[in-house]
Amino acid sequence: QVQLVQSGSELKKPGASVKISCTGSGYSFTDFAMAWVRQAPGHGLEWIGWINTNTGNPMFAPGLTGQFDFTLDTSVNTAYLQIRNLKADDTAVYYCARGSAFDVWGQGTMVIVSS
Amino acid sequence: VMTQSPLSLPVTLGQPASISCRSSQSLVHSDGKTYLSWFHQRPGQSPRRLIYRVSYRDSGVPDRFSGSGSGTDFTLKISSVEAEDVGVFYCMQGTHWPTFGGGTKVEIK
Repeated sequence: QVQLVQSGSELKKPGASVKISCTGSGYSFTDFAMAWVRQAPGHGLEWIGWINTNTGNPMFAPGLTGQFDFTLDTSVNTAYLQIRNLKADDTAVYYCARGSAFDVWGQGTMVIVSS
Repeated sequence: VMTQSPLSLPVTLGQPASISCRSSQSLVHSDGKTYLSWFHQRPGQSPRRLIYRVSYRDSGVPDRFSGSGSGTDFTLKISSVEAEDVGVFYCMQGTHWPTFGGGTKVEIK
């Protein structure tokens, strides 16, 4: 079946970076973009952006800083989200979701930023 | 901006429920289609898409869920609420940059 499996929870100090993975299976990985969404504790969903899995071209939500980076390793059907210079308010669950339709979601990766 | 109402919806099992989603701009794409989806997020789980392009139900979604609307105003209806429907429902527009509504929390009375 089609699924997205994300890497495990992370605990980071302010100023550090984190890299989250999302591995797709059950479908042709490069047929769909990979979107990234975050959800702060007790809050709603926010689209961060997506990456074209064919070209590697990223697109970020308007207004977001250059804190995020999307990369790929298509040899293992995996997309990565890197977040630099972490702050306390980056504490959230980060989801990957398939394509622009968001029809399949990963299980989420909790990132906690705390000194 | 996507505005959902109500923020909280206490419902009785077996009764109908309705959630509104309003966009600050038309969601009709240049291709003529309207990219408005509904998601359900149970506590501690990932969101699950229920409805896409206003009214198309995803595979496996019970037919008690239905979506309707056009332009800027959309509605998700549950014909008969079941216990498994608790959680937060989100609308999302994909016509422009993807934007989610603030969510409607459904709980059982």
